[in-house]
Amino acid sequence: AQSVTQLGSHVSVSEGALVLLRCNYSSSVPPYLFWYVQYPNQGLQLLLKYTTGATLVKGINGFEAEFKKSETSFHLTKPSAHMSDAAEYFCAVSDNTGNQFYFGTGTSLTVIP
Amino acid sequence: KAGVTQTPRYLIKTRGQQVTLSCSPISGHRSVSWYQQTPGQGLQFLFEYFSETQRNKGNFPGRFSGRQFSNSRSEMNVSTLELGDSALYLCASSTDPGSEYEQYFGPGTRLTVT
Repeated sequence: AQSVTQLGSHVSVSEGALVLLRCNYSSSVPPYLFWYVQYPNQGLQLLLKYTTGATLVKGINGFEAEFKKSETSFHLTKPSAHMSDAAEYFCAVSDNTGNQFYFGTGTSLTVIP
Repeated sequence: KAGVTQTPRYLIKTRGQQVTLSCSPISGHRSVSWYQQTPGQGLQFLFEYFSETQRNKGNFPGRFSGRQFSNSRSEMNVSTLELGDSALYLCASSTDPGSEYEQYFGPGTRLTVT
């Protein structure tokens, strides 16, 4: 079975600072990994995903994540935070059959001007 | 192209009642998944439908059910509502089932059970 742990339910960064949102997973098979963003009163939007191949994945809005198998991690980063990045971020994992997605409990990102 | 739409957006029900939520996927999308989002449990998978058939089901009691119509629209039903069913219910559609196909989420239906 798969599971996801997001360390830090709330993260605050200053505008222009590095954003680092942590995600660790457990999976008995090679996983597919995802990061989603949710703005208030909206559904989730896919930021990026890792399936196979290059372990550094680039997504929308300047975000990227690196799959580290040895650390079972898939942390999300952005070099310079923008006010518009304030939102809830969810890490998710599925097995490669795509039968089910497992989401973390989310990290709320606050950007301080 | 219109996004995923969910109706109603907000709903208030009392314990013991039943409720039906509706999801219209993006045109051309044949797979629809449902999730329950609560502050304590986060997002939890309810079920997935593809071509009018339930393909997968999460770990929820039988009070939660769903169906998909020939036009890919989907409904979920919760019978005998409990206070713990208060949540944001999200629907997501994709062209086909499977992780390699991006899921597009609707804005959700906020259900409050009193």
